[in-house]
Amino acid sequence: QKEVEQNSGPLSVPEGAIASLNCTYSDRGSQSFFWYRQYSGKSPELIMFIYSNGDKEDGRFTAQLNKASQYVSLLIRDSQPSDSATYLCAVNIASYGKLTFGQGTILTVHP
Amino acid sequence: DAGVIQSPRHEVTEMGQEVTLRCKPISGHNSLFWYRQTMMRGLELLIYFNNNVPIDDSGMPEDRFSAKMPNASFSTLKIQPSEPRDSAVYFCASTWDRRGNQPQHFGDGTRLSIL
Repeated sequence: QKEVEQNSGPLSVPEGAIASLNCTYSDRGSQSFFWYRQYSGKSPELIMFIYSNGDKEDGRFTAQLNKASQYVSLLIRDSQPSDSATYLCAVNIASYGKLTFGQGTILTVHP
Repeated sequence: DAGVIQSPRHEVTEMGQEVTLRCKPISGHNSLFWYRQTMMRGLELLIYFNNNVPIDDSGMPEDRFSAKMPNASFSTLKIQPSEPRDSAVYFCASTWDRRGNQPQHFGDGTRLSIL
């Protein structure tokens, strides 16, 4: 089992819909969870991050953690074509100081 | 504020040549990471430093790869000799939290092509 897993997609949603991206992780002791967006040919860009003590909302983005099932999700409300990108989930496994990244989910928002 | 700065942005060279990639982390950040990204393998951590000291180099593919961080504001990743399978995008990232509980900030990457 991979330490951090994501469905590679592609996930296709219509403009204005809610896009739901999920990520599962193997280490029950993980405490920090990050979502990055990566446009084609660009570097990963931080969207938001949460700790094990709670969810977070920032504008159209919400990150939620389900500790019991060991997955973290990113919800994008009112999806726009400009949200089309690869979304990378990263987890601080065992607080070693390094992040383990999932393979990424390709999101396509069509007009 | 300046972000993580990598150079060169693109590098095309022939098999067998030495390649040196450079990174300047964000000022004040004490942890630096080198990643490699390919379509097949995704984003892989090669090595990371904390306070200029290598902490984990288990991701370095083989002895042809080496990395140094002589001071807090500069790091290099060297490949010698280079091979076509080393072709990838190499990213450098930095953060101020050595425990990994704060985000890493990525440079623009170096796109490396080995012919």
